[in-house]
Amino acid sequence: SQQGEEDPQALSIQEGENATMNCSYKTSINNLQWYRQNSGRGLVHLILIRSNEREKHSGRLRVTLDTSKKSSSLLITASRAADTASYFCATGGSGNTGKLIFGQGTTLQVKP
Amino acid sequence: DAGVIQSPRHEVTEMGQEVTLRCKPISGHNSLFWYRQTMMRGLELLIYFNNNVPIDDSGMPEDRFSAKMPNASFSTLKIQPSEPRDSAVYFCASRGTGDEKLFFGSGTQLSVL
Repeated sequence: SQQGEEDPQALSIQEGENATMNCSYKTSINNLQWYRQNSGRGLVHLILIRSNEREKHSGRLRVTLDTSKKSSSLLITASRAADTASYFCATGGSGNTGKLIFGQGTTLQVKP
Repeated sequence: DAGVIQSPRHEVTEMGQEVTLRCKPISGHNSLFWYRQTMMRGLELLIYFNNNVPIDDSGMPEDRFSAKMPNASFSTLKIQPSEPRDSAVYFCASRGTGDEKLFFGSGTQLSVL
């Protein structure tokens, strides 16, 4: 399986601090995506990084990808209480088979 | 854009009953995915369609589960007969041609008693 595995499973920080979540996967990928899920809601796409990219930024989000280690990290800078949610990485198969497989997720709590 | 629409939002049924979950993808999207989310197993891909054709149903747990996409704007996931272990949140997601990100519906919370 190429399912991503995330760590930590849960993270609790104070508002204003940075939050870092990590994702590891097992097989070759075409791209890696990060999604956010608020309690009781569907997942929302945050950012996509392709296998030939090493780093990508979007607002307060920074994603890195190390294909040699089969790992990615998501950094949320200057966190806010509204960032409280679960964050999932998802991997798209090599050759773009169309499948998108999700990791177990990291639950982030940002305390005001 | 109304987004991906799923119905019902909540479903409570008794073991042995047939359950049908419905999904309307975003207009113009050509790929549709069904996922199941539980605390124990996380988010599992059940099946996905491209241009209304099932491409990969290897995640469908057993013959009690079936999915159809009769046209580009509608899909169903049916469980017959339902069992308590089917209790989960079922998500539908769609994706546009040439795009790689998924757009998720709000999910159907299924409880089988």
